[in-house]
Amino acid sequence: EAQVTQNPRYLITVTGKKLTVTCSQNMNHEYMSWYRQDPGLGLRQIYYSMNVEVTDKGDVPEGYKVSRKEKRNFPLILESPSPNQTSLYFCASSLGGDLGEQYFGPGTRLTVT
Amino acid sequence: AQKITQTQPGMFVQEKEAVTLDCTYDTSDPSYGLFWYKQPSSGEMIFLIYQGSYDQQNATEGRYSLNFQKARKSANLVISASQLGDSAMYFCAITGQNTGFQKLVFGTGTRLLVSP
Repeated sequence: EAQVTQNPRYLITVTGKKLTVTCSQNMNHEYMSWYRQDPGLGLRQIYYSMNVEVTDKGDVPEGYKVSRKEKRNFPLILESPSPNQTSLYFCASSLGGDLGEQYFGPGTRLTVT
Repeated sequence: AQKITQTQPGMFVQEKEAVTLDCTYDTSDPSYGLFWYKQPSSGEMIFLIYQGSYDQQNATEGRYSLNFQKARKSANLVISASQLGDSAMYFCAITGQNTGFQKLVFGTGTRLLVSP
């Protein structure tokens, strides 16, 4: 089954404790992205990657890091999480170009206390 | 820069009726695409329908159709014969040539409630 998976689905952590949210897709997609969703703001792009070792900032990259060492994986790293990073996070992947749908993972609900 | 405006925070519709969710957009991209996603209370983002800016016909997917009016910069979603399971948040989004079609810019969403 074609899918994007994220782990963990739920995470409660404390300020400053480094964490990684994993994202993996099995569709051989070139492009992958991370978004965060906050009430009243819709989804905003954090980072995206057009291929292995190629990443770029989205609209809200501060406080986040990403890496793309393999085509299928695109982890999101919070080196020193803060309460304002409490949010619902989505990973997405797509074939690239004007080819329609971006496939979303199930989401990771992160709470930073 | 691209922008999506969804002016309806909430909409109510009775089962079996049709409903239109509004979406207007702003972009300077010569080529762009418009999406609608559904987010039920369980949280996942479900792709509904896509319209390319150069598509001549309005997109349709089952009970979903996209009323694309390029000159008015609107991309309204029409759901025919609403079902109780259609109750959810609905997001309109745009992507464009200038970002390699790799960035989706979302609106703030419309919450649809379908009543029996």
